Amino acid sequence: GQNIDQPTEMTATEGAIVQINCTYQTSGFNGLFWYQQHAGEAPTFLSYNVLDGLEEKGRFSSFLSRSKGYSYLLLKELQMKDSASYLCAVRVYNTDKLIFGTGTRLQVFP
Amino acid sequence: DGGITQSPKYLFRKEGQNVTLSCEQNLNHDAMYWYRQDPGQGLRLIYYSQIVNDFQKGDIAEGYSVSREKKESFPLTVTSAQKNPTAFYLCASSISRGLSNQPQHFGDGTRLSIL
Repeated sequence: GQNIDQPTEMTATEGAIVQINCTYQTSGFNGLFWYQQHAGEAPTFLSYNVLDGLEEKGRFSSFLSRSKGYSYLLLKELQMKDSASYLCAVRVYNTDKLIFGTGTRLQVFP
Repeated sequence: DGGITQSPKYLFRKEGQNVTLSCEQNLNHDAMYWYRQDPGQGLRLIYYSQIVNDFQKGDIAEGYSVSREKKESFPLTVTSAQKNPTAFYLCASSISRGLSNQPQHFGDGTRLSIL
């Protein structure tokens, strides 16, 4: 079966660091994506990992361990505008299909 | 500017009525997708198309139909057979041809409600 797990909600303080975890069990793996989605809006692409290790992109970093079926998104120097849902998605091997987790709703407080 | 356009933004359907949601992209992407998003749930794949004149069912295709007559367009019809159509519908597109690092790009969505 296909399963992607993320925490439902998280809270953090402006200026802090937060880590959003994602674990997956899929029939084949061909990359993991993180998207940001503000309420009522379209998801926007944040990061992509296919090899083990850390990918850094400004305030956002994403980590992957294929052997553990685990990824995390690290957000540094949190800003109020980072309050959004963060979606983890796995690309199924040999297709263009993505399987999405339920998303993690992050609230950043002053 | 290139992008994906979904219309309308809000749509209301009467019981027993079919409605069609529009999705157009000018990104020259081969693959297009339709997702449904319900509150507290992730995106669920309805249909996808990797090339013109071809499409495949996703995980929740029952009660929906699509066509892909042009590369730029992938309309979704919500039929009367779909018993719980109220949801936020998202269209996406991506470069295909095995380029696995290419993300899907999303339109702004259509929110469908039952009258």
